[in-house]
Amino acid sequence: GNSVTQMEGPVTLSEEAFLTINCTYTATGYPSLFWYVQYPGEGLQLLLKATKADDKGSNKGFEATYRKETTSFHLEKGSVQVSDSAVYFCALVSPYSGAGSYQLTFGKGTKLSVIP
Amino acid sequence: DTGVSQDPRHKITKRGQNVTFRCDPISEHNRLYWYRQTLGQGPEFLTYFQNEAQLEKSRLLSDRFSAERPKGSFSTLEIQRTEQGDSAMYLCASSPIAGGGSDTQYFGPGTRLTVL
Repeated sequence: GNSVTQMEGPVTLSEEAFLTINCTYTATGYPSLFWYVQYPGEGLQLLLKATKADDKGSNKGFEATYRKETTSFHLEKGSVQVSDSAVYFCALVSPYSGAGSYQLTFGKGTKLSVIP
Repeated sequence: DTGVSQDPRHKITKRGQNVTFRCDPISEHNRLYWYRQTLGQGPEFLTYFQNEAQLEKSRLLSDRFSAERPKGSFSTLEIQRTEQGDSAMYLCASSPIAGGGSDTQYFGPGTRLTVL
């Protein structure tokens, strides 16, 4: 079945530090990959996505590149801010895995805290 | 676009009671999904609808759980004879039908269930 593994947190960084959150996946078919973010007290929001190999998703200074050869979709940001403190979830959808399923499969989430 | 709404936001019940949650998706979205999220974990898929048809159910969805989307608009999730293990955040999401698995799922704020 499909699965997503992301680095365990919590991750604590100083403001303006470089961020990497690792994400690797196992999937049948050709998945689409997503990063969702959950700010304190709020619902899940899409941060970025990529739908095919070598695509780069980007938003709000965050980037992730779909690497089929390493089955990875690592999230990066060059300079984090206090407002980036949140829980980040890597996820995939693989509708061509035989079940015609559009369900998202999520990793466990990585909590990021950015301190001034 | 008012987003996905869920009601109630919080529910406290005693073990053995029945509970029902409601989800109102974004109005033009054909697909509607239910997920469950426990503390420290990513959301897990429960079921999804395309219009009024329930097309997939997870093995997590025991016989005590039932979901409906009678007119292809709002959906309800009912849990009968609640157990303490049902305590979780229940999330609803919706998406349009467009590009296969790459469609973004938009999440509601969730209903937090506590079973005493």
